[in-house]
Amino acid sequence: DAEITQSPRHKITETGRQVTLACHQTWNHNNMFWYRQDLGHGLRLIHYSYGVQDTNKGEVSDGYSVSRSNTEDLPLTLESAASSQTSVYFCASSRLGEDTQYFGPGTRLTVL
Amino acid sequence: GDSVTQMEGPVTLSEEAFLTINCTYTATGYPSLFWYVQYPGEGLQLLLKATKADDKGSNKGFEATYRKETTSFHLEKGSVQVSDSAVYFCALRNTGGFKTIFGAGTRLFVKA
Repeated sequence: DAEITQSPRHKITETGRQVTLACHQTWNHNNMFWYRQDLGHGLRLIHYSYGVQDTNKGEVSDGYSVSRSNTEDLPLTLESAASSQTSVYFCASSRLGEDTQYFGPGTRLTVL
Repeated sequence: GDSVTQMEGPVTLSEEAFLTINCTYTATGYPSLFWYVQYPGEGLQLLLKATKADDKGSNKGFEATYRKETTSFHLEKGSVQVSDSAVYFCALRNTGGFKTIFGAGTRLFVKA
């Protein structure tokens, strides 16, 4: 079955370290998204991509970067982790022209 | 800009009670409206959607009607079950827009 996976599922890191969260989908979806989920804020968009080599900033992109070298993967990098980036991170994907998004299981990141 | 407001939780109900979770939106144009559900430890999944005014989305006993005159998309279920305990997110995607805007989420607890 096609799916979307995230790894790791849980990560503890220290302030200042670089961290990369992986997202992989097997639906061949053009669109991919990264969100963070925080209590009281719901989901906030970090970065998104509409295809290979395309990346765009969302509403809370500071301190994060993404790259899209193939259709299946959109890794999210925290260049220098900060305690404010402690959160649950969700990756999602959707087909070109469709509005329904399919979400991964999430990564819980703790920055100490 | 576009936004979604949904009732704060948590909402606690007994099994077989009637559920309403309120959602209102602000958007230009004619957005598509969604309800997503997040079960414990999982990512979000689409529950139902409506793409134009007066449309009713329905799934798993849940319903929501797109009311343009009141800019609302309230989620209802006639008889909740313990297995409905989850966080429910109202969301919109505007025509011509590429991003989905999520509300803050409403946590539902259903007691046996």
